[in-house]
Amino acid sequence: DAKTTQPTSMDCAEGRAANLPCNHSTISGNEYVYWYRQIHSQGPQYIIHGLKNNETNEMASLIITEDRKSSTLILPHATLRDTAVYYCIVRVSGTYKYIFGTGTRLKVLA
Amino acid sequence: DTAVSQTPKYLVTQMGNDKSIKCEQNLGHDTMYWYKQDSKKFLKIMFSYNNKELIINETVPNRFSPKSPDKAHLNLHINSLELGDSAVYFCASAAASGSRNTQYFGPGTRLTVL
Repeated sequence: DAKTTQPTSMDCAEGRAANLPCNHSTISGNEYVYWYRQIHSQGPQYIIHGLKNNETNEMASLIITEDRKSSTLILPHATLRDTAVYYCIVRVSGTYKYIFGTGTRLKVLA
Repeated sequence: DTAVSQTPKYLVTQMGNDKSIKCEQNLGHDTMYWYKQDSKKFLKIMFSYNNKELIINETVPNRFSPKSPDKAHLNLHINSLELGDSAVYFCASAAASGSRNTQYFGPGTRLTVL
């Protein structure tokens, strides 16, 4: 199973970009990288996912390195409501199984 | 309209009791999951059903028994509750086909065993 490593916590000033890194050095060629966030014990919320190309949606951008061993989630203009725990997940290939790591606790500061 | 709903939201019970948590999704998804999030906030998968068939069964005590009466429902029954079962339990659903497999989570059920 591919595992992910994320910093335990990060702070970001409101209105600035939040860049959340994730290492997944054992990822295999057909495994996707997913990002979810959990706001104050609510259910995790899907943000974005990708395989090898960079992706962007209305919530965030996902930058995946060429070797696919790491990725960065970018929240372009962080707001106080983006304060949450952000999980980088690699789905186990050939299954419907996610393995959640410890995540990064992002605090957006006013 | 809530996509994935769980009942109850809070459950407080005594050790040794039997309790059930219900989950329903109205997204038309084929796959449903149960996760447990403990006090250290680790989110760990317990079970998954695809079209009412059990496809993931992690190392979970057999006091926990999932039941899927149809693909829109996945219930979790817990026998002989123990203190260590106290946690937040999340239900999730996902479309089975395709590479996306985005999971949609319910609001959680906070179980407290006294």
